[in-house]
Amino acid sequence: DAGVIQSPRHEVTEMGQEVTLRCKLISGHNSLFWYRQTMMRGLELLIYFNNNVPIDDSGMPEDRFSAKMPNASFSTLKIQPSEPRDSAVYFCASGDLGPHSAFFGQGTRLTVV
Amino acid sequence: KNQVEQSPQSLIILEGKNCTLQCNYTVSPFSNLRWYKQDTGRGPVSLTIMTFSENTKSNGRYTATLDADTKQSSLHITASQLSDSASYICVVSGGGGNKLTFGTGTQLKVEL
Repeated sequence: DAGVIQSPRHEVTEMGQEVTLRCKLISGHNSLFWYRQTMMRGLELLIYFNNNVPIDDSGMPEDRFSAKMPNASFSTLKIQPSEPRDSAVYFCASGDLGPHSAFFGQGTRLTVV
Repeated sequence: KNQVEQSPQSLIILEGKNCTLQCNYTVSPFSNLRWYKQDTGRGPVSLTIMTFSENTKSNGRYTATLDADTKQSSLHITASQLSDSASYICVVSGGGGNKLTFGTGTQLKVEL
């Protein structure tokens, strides 16, 4: 198994543009987590899904952020419109036993200029 | 307020030496505590997970301890190697709804 696969690895976009981050889960896992990591705030859980259903989205910073899980193996995190303060590394993780068994992807480094 | 504080913020040690990283938390009710290792430019990798009833758990040269009474955990690294250079993040689950509270990490550098 290739592990959790995120794309793109790096994204540079202009303020106001829409950004879509993608994540492919590890086969057989039923939980999906989106995290954001910055130097100032460290690692933050944005949202997590269980069996394709969003369980806790209290970490989503504002309405500009949305996440979907159209099927059991794939998820997207969309930011529209993007702002410079959204610049961070966004990690996707998948697991099969809840929030405490997450396997992380390599992350997407987002820069909004 | 649920918080996780880690110390030290950064640490430099010589290869072969031991070190101990600290994690203090105020998360309540407590569910579990996990230590992650994050190499530069990569996603975090889980080292250990500890529940309320566990005091010690080892994973190779990594040994985590938990004192649920004082709400403290430590991660001890034995005979450090250059590859141990990374950020070590303490994550506590609990606080209602099984939320995750993250520490800001300890940046460890192992030198020759």
